[in-house]
Amino acid sequence: SQTIHQWPATLVQPVGSPLSLECTVEGTSNPNLYWYRQAAGRGLQLLFYSVGIGQISSEVPQNLSASRPQDRQFILSSKKLLLSDSGFYLCAWSVRVSGIYGYTFGSGTRLTVV
Amino acid sequence: GQQLNQSPQSMFIQEGEDVSMNCTSSSIFNTWLWYKQEPGEGPVLLIALYKAGELTSNGRLTAQFGITRKDSFLNISASIPSDVGIYFCAGYISSGSARQLTFGSGTQLTVLP
Repeated sequence: SQTIHQWPATLVQPVGSPLSLECTVEGTSNPNLYWYRQAAGRGLQLLFYSVGIGQISSEVPQNLSASRPQDRQFILSSKKLLLSDSGFYLCAWSVRVSGIYGYTFGSGTRLTVV
Repeated sequence: GQQLNQSPQSMFIQEGEDVSMNCTSSSIFNTWLWYKQEPGEGPVLLIALYKAGELTSNGRLTAQFGITRKDSFLNISASIPSDVGIYFCAGYISSGSARQLTFGSGTQLTVLP
C-alpha cells in the first residue's frame, strides 16, 4: 500500500536557525510531490512541487527551498528561519492513474519560530 | 489564476442536523475533491468527483459536481460530534501540470451536543 511519512511532527526553532523537513513516500514510483503551508488552520498554500528527481518548481518567492534527492524523498529547507515561517507544513504526493491524479497528504509538521 | 470561493467559512450546528457547504470557481475544473482536516493532522480525502453532474455518496456524506463544472457542494446528513473539523474543497484540471490543484479556504464545522 502507498504511504507517506513526514517528520518531525512538531518543531520549535529560533529565528535565524536552519530548517530541514523531510517527506518520504512508499509504495509508489515517480510520484509528483508537493509542499504546502497552512497558516492559522485555514487555507493551503502551495510552496513547491516536483515532478521528478532534481526537478523543483517554486510557487511563492520566500526564504524556503526544496530538494528532491531521490524519487520518493522531498525535503523542505531554510538557511535562516523568519518568524513568518511559522505554520503547519504539509507534504503531499500524487500519481496519475488513468488520467486522474489522486492526492494524498502527510500528517504535517507544526513549525513554531521563536 | 484560479480561485475557489468556499462557503460558509464556519458553521455551528446541533448534533443530528444536516450540513451543506459549497465551492464555486472562476474557472472550469474537471475534477473536484473534498477533504476533511482534523486538528494537527493532514487533510484526508472524503469524496472525489470526476464528471459534471456526478453525485457521489460516502456514508452520510454526499457531494455533487456542478453541471457548469464551476461548482460543487458537500452535504453531511445527521451530523455527529466526530464530524468536527475543517472541510476543504479542491479542484484541478487533469490535463497539463500536476500542480494545478486549487484549494478553497475551508469550512470550519463545529457540532454542538
